[in-house]
Amino acid sequence: GDSVTQMEGPVTLSEEAFLTINCTYTATGYPSLFWYVQYPGEGLQLLLKATKADDKGSNKGFEATYRKETTSFHLEKGSVQVSDSAVYFCALRAFFGNEKLTFGTGTRLTIIP
Amino acid sequence: EPEVTQTPSHQVTQMGQEVILRCVPISNHLYFYWYRQILGQKVEFLVSFYNNEISEKSEIFDDQFSVERPDGSNFTLKIRSTKLEDSAMYFCASSEPTSNEQFFGPGTRLTVL
Repeated sequence: GDSVTQMEGPVTLSEEAFLTINCTYTATGYPSLFWYVQYPGEGLQLLLKATKADDKGSNKGFEATYRKETTSFHLEKGSVQVSDSAVYFCALRAFFGNEKLTFGTGTRLTIIP
Repeated sequence: EPEVTQTPSHQVTQMGQEVILRCVPISNHLYFYWYRQILGQKVEFLVSFYNNEISEKSEIFDDQFSVERPDGSNFTLKIRSTKLEDSAMYFCASSEPTSNEQFFGPGTRLTVL
């Protein structure tokens, strides 16, 4: 079945550091790919998405590119801030009309001032 | 901005008791979902609901679980006889028919003693 493998955490970085959180997937067809973020005490919020190969999703300085050849959707940000501290989830939604999201394990990110 | 709400935020119950977790989806959404996350593990899909019936369920969603939309606003998850292994964070989500994006609530932490 479909699966998402996500970089294990926790990840601790200094403010203004470069961030990469790796995500790879296994799915049939052409899934849509997502990054969700969960701030402390809040629900999962969609951060960005990409629906086809080579699409780049971006939001709040975060980017991820849908790479079909490597089945990857790595999350990047050039300069992180303390306010980016959260748990980040990579997820996919299968192409064939399947409604459910399949999530990775989540990566807890802590940014130190 | 419209949001998904869930109550209670934390529920503690004794093994074998019934619990009902409540969700109020975004008002014009037609698809509803429940997910759960056992501490330290992946967010897992439980069930999706559309047009007053279950459209998909996972192997986790056995006869002990049921969902209901008792009125025009609430969407509930019932666990008839809770087990220790039901302890988890339960997330409700909703989406529009034509959108890829699922909007999540803040979750209910269920603790079974």
